[in-house]
Amino acid sequence: GQQVMQIPQYQHVQEGEDFTTYCNSSTTLSNIQWYKQRPGGHPVFLIQLVKSGEVKKQKRLTFQFGEAKKNSSLHITATQTTDVGTYFCAGGDSNYQLIWGAGTKLIIKP
Amino acid sequence: EAQVTQNPRYLITVTGKKLTVTCSQNMNHEYMSWYRQDPGLGLRQIYYSMNVEVTDKGDVPEGYKVSRKEKRNFPLILESPSPNQTSLYFCASSLSTSGRFDTQYFGPGTRLTVL
Repeated sequence: GQQVMQIPQYQHVQEGEDFTTYCNSSTTLSNIQWYKQRPGGHPVFLIQLVKSGEVKKQKRLTFQFGEAKKNSSLHITATQTTDVGTYFCAGGDSNYQLIWGAGTKLIIKP
Repeated sequence: EAQVTQNPRYLITVTGKKLTVTCSQNMNHEYMSWYRQDPGLGLRQIYYSMNVEVTDKGDVPEGYKVSRKEKRNFPLILESPSPNQTSLYFCASSLSTSGRFDTQYFGPGTRLTVL
């Protein structure tokens, strides 16, 4: 079935360093959503991208949707301790469902 | 306050003992779904419902049942739980029947352990 691959599984960064997670689909997606799950919490919606080549920013977070609508990325500039958590992408498939990536866990090194 | 609630939040049970995890939303959402979350596997959809009395299998439906008799409630039933169903379960809802385009609102999660 359709899959969305998300890498890396974990990323350790020093506070102040940048962080990026990538999602790739084998087929064209209708849209892509990004969620953040804090440790011990539940996924919380961050943003949705729909258009080919779309770029959206939320303060230090930059979200991109590829030209072919098969890949997406989330980039965090100058990470802070409040950024800790797992980031998930979820792509809309041809059956009107969301296909979830496995998530990237952001760990801030002390 | 708009929210999705789940009960219980934590449950330890034994193999074969039927259990139900309740899910309720107060946002008048059409679409509801259940996920399980396991380390390294992300969120996997168990069942979803696009409206009252309409339910469909997700990616991992084996061993689970659901019902949608009212719009606000979507209970998850494990008729004969087994240890491989030990997991963290999330209920989610979204506004419209086209789940892919709407924000998913998640409940707080239910951590289930089957001994």
